[in-house]
Amino acid sequence: DTAVSQTPKYLVTQMGNDKSIKCEQNLGHDTMYWYKQDSKKFLKIMFSYNNKELIINETVPNRFSPKSPDKAHLNLHINSLELGDSAVYFCASSQGARIGYNEQFFGPGTRLTVL
Amino acid sequence: AQSVTQLGSHVSVSEGALVLLRCNYSSSVPPYLFWYVQYPNQGLQLLLKYTTGATLVKGINGFEAEFKKSETSFHLTKPSAHMSDAAEYFCATRDGSNYKLTFGKGTLLTVNP
Repeated sequence: DTAVSQTPKYLVTQMGNDKSIKCEQNLGHDTMYWYKQDSKKFLKIMFSYNNKELIINETVPNRFSPKSPDKAHLNLHINSLELGDSAVYFCASSQGARIGYNEQFFGPGTRLTVL
Repeated sequence: AQSVTQLGSHVSVSEGALVLLRCNYSSSVPPYLFWYVQYPNQGLQLLLKYTTGATLVKGINGFEAEFKKSETSFHLTKPSAHMSDAAEYFCATRDGSNYKLTFGKGTLLTVNP
């Protein structure tokens, strides 16, 4: 009955590889997010989708491509992985995109390690 | 640009003692302010938020925070710390577009028996 789930929980890969992280929410929310938390715990938004439409696209390398096949899923594909991509990636969802009106629910995170 | 600054990357208290985690904000729009908690190896969970109205906001697990516009602060307090409160705490604010959260760098709270 997990509200926001992510797979995999841990991902260890070599530089240059391509990998995907999947996120699913069963809350019926229409907005989903990807955040990156670096080794110093600093948390920063990467992308946000509302009703499958991209509404936030931060200054993220174009090696990162989010894909939202439906409102319940938001996947993150990363091409040509680099050492600096090592971080914990969090998916979140909310009902509505406007901050302050609706709580964001976070997934458990995916710890990506690039060797 | 909107931002938050958390004073103290690490706060250590004894069980039963007062918890005080500091957050100051900078905002060109009326601020919406949030405190999130992150337990080890877990995602973030909303503790409480201030948008409008009453400046003293009560949240889950006995935490509360007071919005003080004159001091541009939104400090988080709890009268008596429990061991289970040990976690990372993040203060956050909305950005000017109202579609993004900007987080502080976090404060690690440790609770000593």
